[in-house]
Amino acid sequence: QQQVKQSPQSLIVQKGGISIINCAYENTAFDYFPWYQQFPGKGPALLIAIRPDVSEKKEGRFTISFNKSAKQFSLHIMDSQPGDSATYFCAASTQAGTALIFGKGTTLSVSS
Amino acid sequence: DTEVTQTPKHLVMGMTNKKSLKCEQHMGHRAMYWYKQKAKKPPELMFVYSYEKLSINESVPSRFSPECPNSSLLNLHLHALQPEDSALYLCASSKERSYSGNTIYFGEGSWLTVV
Repeated sequence: QQQVKQSPQSLIVQKGGISIINCAYENTAFDYFPWYQQFPGKGPALLIAIRPDVSEKKEGRFTISFNKSAKQFSLHIMDSQPGDSATYFCAASTQAGTALIFGKGTTLSVSS
Repeated sequence: DTEVTQTPKHLVMGMTNKKSLKCEQHMGHRAMYWYKQKAKKPPELMFVYSYEKLSINESVPSRFSPECPNSSLLNLHLHALQPEDSALYLCASSKERSYSGNTIYFGEGSWLTVV
């Protein structure tokens, strides 16, 4: 119940294409869903986050879509660029929780 | 750029050595964390400090000893480590320990190799 399932494990997208990463959860107490981007040799950096009272949040080329009834959320990267090549982690937490639960990560490669 | 600063960036230590990892943040955050990350895996929570008091220890072996001297500093003391402890150690901070809606900011990590 505490898991966040992330797919795909790896993704190759052409420059200019749309990258889509999906996550699913079971615990309905989760109320905060951040996405982290991690480049090789660096720590994870918060990319964008959403609360379950919102179905979509957009920041630049990055959009989170949230489906509360299906307990799923996804990250869309529009006009993907080679500089977006990184590992992306979805995560979830509860206000009363003891940990930020991470998905297993998706390695994105954007080919030029 | 991250506002959580970790030193050293790289550390190689023998199994009998004693060393420390250091972390500093000046964002006024009252929660600080240590995470361990293996290659191609998500970060794993080790310890959480809230208002300079240890509030969570995720069953971490005693060869890892955390310390929070003040609200801006967090140390991880290392002693008698094993080669399988080689990993990226990440420090992080957030406004409060309560996770919901509180952004957790990570440092760039300290790469530890145990030989």
